[in-house]
Amino acid sequence: GAVVSQHPSWVICKSGTSVKIECRSLDFQATTMFWYRQFPKQSLMLMATSNEGSKATYEQGVEKDKFLINHASLTLSTLTVTSAHPEDSSFYICSARGLQQGAGNTIYFGEGSWLTVV
Amino acid sequence: TQLLEQSPQFLSIQEGENLTVYCNSSSVFSSLQWYRQEPGEGPVLLVTVVTGGEVKKLKRLTFQFGDARKDSSLHITAAQPGDTGLYLCAGLKDTGRRALTFGSGTRLQVQP
Repeated sequence: GAVVSQHPSWVICKSGTSVKIECRSLDFQATTMFWYRQFPKQSLMLMATSNEGSKATYEQGVEKDKFLINHASLTLSTLTVTSAHPEDSSFYICSARGLQQGAGNTIYFGEGSWLTVV
Repeated sequence: TQLLEQSPQFLSIQEGENLTVYCNSSSVFSSLQWYRQEPGEGPVLLVTVVTGGEVKKLKRLTFQFGDARKDSSLHITAAQPGDTGLYLCAGLKDTGRRALTFGSGTRLQVQP
C-alpha cells in the first residue's frame, strides 16, 4: 500500500523556538495533505488542509500564523510550529490523498510526530 | 462539538467476549472508515464502507454502514488481547475540503 512518512518521529524543543515537521508521500503523488493534532487519550482533530501550490485552509480556532503549513511539491508538506509553548505539546499526524489511479482517493496516514515543548 | 460520536468511550472486557462500538452522526457521509490506533502511532485503516446498509467482515470484525449513511457500527466477536487499542470511525463528505472527520474514539482493553 501507499506509504506516508513523517519526520521527525519525536522532537523536544525549548519554549519560544520553532520546530518543523515533514510529511512525505513516498510512492505516490498527493495533491492534498491534511494535518491533525491529537492530545493524549483524545481523537484526531483536523488542523488544516493543504493543497500543493496553494495556501492551506485552516480549521476554526487554529492560528495560521502559529502553525505554518507549506505544500511545495506533490510529495512533501511541512508543518512549522512557531514560538512553541508547552501547550503545543501534542501528537501531530499528517495524511495524504493519492492522485494516481492506484492510490485513488484513499487517504493514507503518517506515523505521527510527538512534539514536546519544555 | 464532535461531529461523529462514538460509544462507548471506553470498554474493558475479558478475552472471548463480544462487543459492539457505535459511531453516530446527524450528518450524511459519502463513506466511512474505521481505524485502529496504537499508542504513539498513526491510525491504521481497517475498512471503508460506502453504501448505505453495507456490511463488511474482516475476520472477527464486522462493520456496518447505516442505511442513511449517518451511522456505523463495529462488532468484534471473541475479542483477543491483540484487539486492544483505540478504535476510531472517520467520515468523509463529498463536499467541502473532503477531509476525514474523526469520531471521538473508543478505547478497548481486552484482558487475557
